[in-house]
Amino acid sequence: DIQMTQSPSTLSASVGDRVTITCRASQSISRWLAWYQQKAGKAPKLLIYQSSNLESGVPSRFSGSGSGTEFTLTINRLQPDDFATYYCQQYHSFYWTFGQGTKVEIK
Amino acid sequence: QITLKESGPTLVKPTQTLTLTCTFSGFSLSTSAVGVGWIRQPPGKALEWLALIYWDDDKYYSPSLKSSLTITKDTSKNQVVLTMTPVDPADTATYYCAHTVYGDRSFDYWGQGTLVTVSS
Repeated sequence: DIQMTQSPSTLSASVGDRVTITCRASQSISRWLAWYQQKAGKAPKLLIYQSSNLESGVPSRFSGSGSGTEFTLTINRLQPDDFATYYCQQYHSFYWTFGQGTKVEIK
Repeated sequence: QITLKESGPTLVKPTQTLTLTCTFSGFSLSTSAVGVGWIRQPPGKALEWLALIYWDDDKYYSPSLKSSLTITKDTSKNQVVLTMTPVDPADTATYYCAHTVYGDRSFDYWGQGTLVTVSS
């Protein structure tokens, strides 16, 4: 099984900050990685697919990078609407696993 | 416009069978490359992928739950059904269905989710 490890688990930041979340895979997944944003009581929302492709309608302050086993999600100029939990997800082959999530809190 | 909606019981007793239905619109599961997956989230915990079915009836299951899950589709009704048996209190979660395409297997459209509690 491919395990996904996100860090940090919680991140405290202020509006306007640049934040970075890391996701590591237990084996190479090429660029088959997505990032989702989830707000309390809501379904996840796709932000990034194939490591660095921005989903339609997602603000350009979100960006993703990485390949192989290490990936990052960066949010530039954090906005009030960005305080949420973020999940990475690998989809190498036909098997999907999520990271444990990173909660972005207001400092 | 793609929409998905989950339906099913809110309360199930341990050892029983859970049947969840995903009813969707805006796409067809008879269209090449389309798929629908199920993902769950226990209260306060992370997302967990369960199963996925493609337009060609190819099916994939989480290895840890494979023996207890069955996913099927009814193309004429625009529905995907997930059954889980037997259920355990640890299966208490919000269950989501989501749309995907074969070329990129991220989940781009999600239902609102349905909370299922397993308790006697």
